Amino acid sequence: EAQVTQNPRYLITVTGKKLTVTCSQNMNHEYMSWYRQDPGLGLRQIYYSMNVEVTDKGDVPEGYKVSRKEKRNFPLILESPSPNQTSLYFCASSPDSPRETQYFGPGTRLLVL
Amino acid sequence: GENVEQHPSTLSVQEGDSAVIKCTYSDSASNYFPWYKQELGKRPQLIIDIRSNVGEKKDQRIAVTLNKTAKHFSLHITETQPEDSAVYFCAASIGNQGGKLIFGQGTELSVKP
Repeated sequence: EAQVTQNPRYLITVTGKKLTVTCSQNMNHEYMSWYRQDPGLGLRQIYYSMNVEVTDKGDVPEGYKVSRKEKRNFPLILESPSPNQTSLYFCASSPDSPRETQYFGPGTRLLVL
Repeated sequence: GENVEQHPSTLSVQEGDSAVIKCTYSDSASNYFPWYKQELGKRPQLIIDIRSNVGEKKDQRIAVTLNKTAKHFSLHITETQPEDSAVYFCAASIGNQGGKLIFGQGTELSVKP
């Protein structure tokens, strides 16, 4: 089944404790992206990757890192989480660019205490 | 920076009525405008999109119109049904290439039986 998976789905952590949210797609998509969703603010793009060679900042990259070592995986890293990073996070992928249908993962709900 | 404004934030209609959601964008180079539907507790899913070389696109009960001069686009849902109740997000690509996509703040549509 073609899909985007994220892990974990739910996470409670404390300020400053490094964490990684994994994202994997099995559709051989070039483009992958991370978004955070907060009430009243919609979906905001954190980072995106056009392909294994290229990653770039979205609108709200501060406090996050990403890596794209393989086409299928695009982990989101919070080196020192803070309470303002409490949010619902979505990973998404599309065949070549954001100008096509993006397929979203199920979301990861993060609470930073 | 570039942005997308979406209105209204909430919309309540009677079953069978039409619903219209409007978005404006700031980047004159934007050339791709998708609409995503997010049901409660679910991931966003693309329902329709339009590119800058087209003024209108229809798919059964939903349609999107684009006015490039005014930099706004709208989602029209006719003959609304209770299952149309969800949050709807518009988005615009930034520039005519590259990986950035900016979403509007979302519209919570409620269709009352």
